[in-house]
Amino acid sequence: NAGVMQNPRHLVRRRGQEARLRCSPMKGHSHVYWYRQLPEEGLKFMVYLQKENIIDESGMPKERFSAEFPKEGPSILRIQQVVRGDSAAYFCASSPTQRRGTDTQYFGPGTRLTVL
Amino acid sequence: GEDVEQSLFLSVREGDSSVINCTYTDSSSTYLYWYKQEPGAGLQLLTYIFSNMDMKQDQRLTVLLNKKDKHLSLRIADTQTGDSAIYFCAETPGVRATNKLIFGTGTLLAVQP
Repeated sequence: NAGVMQNPRHLVRRRGQEARLRCSPMKGHSHVYWYRQLPEEGLKFMVYLQKENIIDESGMPKERFSAEFPKEGPSILRIQQVVRGDSAAYFCASSPTQRRGTDTQYFGPGTRLTVL
Repeated sequence: GEDVEQSLFLSVREGDSSVINCTYTDSSSTYLYWYKQEPGAGLQLLTYIFSNMDMKQDQRLTVLLNKKDKHLSLRIADTQTGDSAIYFCAETPGVRATNKLIFGTGTLLAVQP
């Protein structure tokens, strides 16, 4: 059973371009979470999605950021008109249900975004 | 409010025990977790504890929870150089909240041979 897959692993963008980050959850997992880790900081929650639904987007910046988890295919985190402050590692996690504890979140390797 | 704090750095000698501490503010937290992050990698779940427990042991790992003081600790027995990493504690806040994780700032554990 493959783990959580994220691609690309590294992404370089110039200011003003768009960044698209992909996350394929573990097989059988229908809950996806996105977190951002700024340099030398802990992870901050961004958004929680189930298939075709955004459940909690309380951590998403109000502008330029969007996320989706379509019925088919990976979850996408999209950042429009990137700025240098968007440079960070973006981690995706998945869980089979939303039960806590035993159905914990399993993390992907992350996408490291660098904005020039 | 939601706030999780950890000391930034811990250095130990190989074979000694390591104790990493964490404090949190949300008294309604139901589960608390410890994750390990190696350089350039994602997070690996080490262990978790339910809030009605005081202690949980899993091989070399011992988690202690003091709910009154909102203090969580991770003890690693017989620390090895391969344990060098950043350790994050995390909580799932509130009973009605979604299953998001609130992470601490991370503790860098350096194991000296």
